[in-house]
Amino acid sequence: QSALTQPASVSGSPGQSITISCTGTSSDVGAYNYVSWYQQHPGKAPKLMIYEVSNRPSGVSNRFSGSKSGNTASLTISGLQAEDEADYYCYSYRTGRPASFVFGTGTRVTAL
Amino acid sequence: EVQLVESGGGLVQPGGSLRLSCAASGFTLGIYWMTWVRQAPGKGLEWVANIKQDESEKYYGDSVRGRFTVSRDNAQNSLYLQMNSLRDEDTAIYYCARDTGSYYTDYWGQGTLVTVSS
Repeated sequence: QSALTQPASVSGSPGQSITISCTGTSSDVGAYNYVSWYQQHPGKAPKLMIYEVSNRPSGVSNRFSGSKSGNTASLTISGLQAEDEADYYCYSYRTGRPASFVFGTGTRVTAL
Repeated sequence: EVQLVESGGGLVQPGGSLRLSCAASGFTLGIYWMTWVRQAPGKGLEWVANIKQDESEKYYGDSVRGRFTVSRDNAQNSLYLQMNSLRDEDTAIYYCARDTGSYYTDYWGQGTLVTVSS
């Protein structure tokens, strides 16, 4: 099962906006609005940041937003802060027999 | 408060077996799908398996299908992962997570480390 494609790293200055892409296929990212995003700090468990492409769970800053176009989903962090430095992973349902799930390759975000 | 606590990890030789457990509290396990995810040292997240509330549906990643079996005991608020024929590449932190039923997970445990080595 091939992973979804993300850039290995993205960086920005504090206060800037950055965008992380997540590219899949018409069998996963492009099939349904079942893309979610997770933040993982070193040594910690992943934390849900966005679900169903663009919805934010309660308690997640509105600086985080999600979108999708075709087979590519995106996570945007506005007003980048030092605490946003972490690894980010997209996650998608994948159609097929059997159905499955797949993570992205992961993106390290750095605040310069 | 929702809590998931994994246990059962450790050092095992290639070809061996291990059974992981995930104790759930703060919610009714029986109304949720559950998920196992792993992360090899220094690597990304990999989906391992999902299980429906009544165990009628189970799905596995290609790399573990036929070797791993997911199960649950809702009365005991527990999720399990039986891992057989372990390989070096199964070395990872294994996380259990609650699936909302809408194809995403909202709560995760802290993970348990499995090391496969001779």
